[in-house]
Amino acid sequence: TQLLEQSPQFLSIQEGENLTVYCNSSSVFSSLQWYRQEPGEGPVLLVTVVTGGEVKKLKRLTFQFGDARKDSSLHITAAQPGDTGLYLCAGPSSGSRLTFGEGTQLTVNP
Amino acid sequence: SAVISQKPSRDICQRGTSLTIQCQVDSQVTMMFWYRQQPGQSLTLIATANQGSEATYESGFVIDKFPISRPNLTFSTLTVSNMSPEDSSIYLCSAMTGDYGYTFGSGTRLTVV
Repeated sequence: TQLLEQSPQFLSIQEGENLTVYCNSSSVFSSLQWYRQEPGEGPVLLVTVVTGGEVKKLKRLTFQFGDARKDSSLHITAAQPGDTGLYLCAGPSSGSRLTFGEGTQLTVNP
Repeated sequence: SAVISQKPSRDICQRGTSLTIQCQVDSQVTMMFWYRQQPGQSLTLIATANQGSEATYESGFVIDKFPISRPNLTFSTLTVSNMSPEDSSIYLCSAMTGDYGYTFGSGTRLTVV
């Protein structure tokens, strides 16, 4: 079973600060995805990284896929209250299932 | 990208009763998935539902408790049967809607009293 370890589990920061969320595994993944979920909604796909070493940017969010395709990180620059939410990394497993990390609950205080 | 309409969005149910949750996708999808989630925590896969075949359940989940229907390529239901307070949770459906992407419904927040 492929597991994804996500850290930190909780993060509370002030508006304008930077932060990084990590997603690690002992297994190689063909791709990794990052989702954000707000209360009362389902997770929404932010990005998919496919190539080892790949870096993708989405406005103030930077996603990186490790060279060995065993880890990924999400960096947010100058966080805003609108970034508050549950961030989940996920990777494909057998039968088109998704394996999810434990999630990072981010709170950005104004 | 695809849109999944899930209903009800929330419900409060008496123990011992059953609730059926519906998900409608605005395009045809091969596989649909049902998850359970405690608020603020990660998702736990309940089962995978393919059209025309029985759902495949994950360890710890059984068909008698969580029967699933998948009558066509755009629709699925999950029933939570003989509910107890331990079934209180958020239930989400999902579908693979691209090469890598998965789309989720907005969830059903179930409280069993």
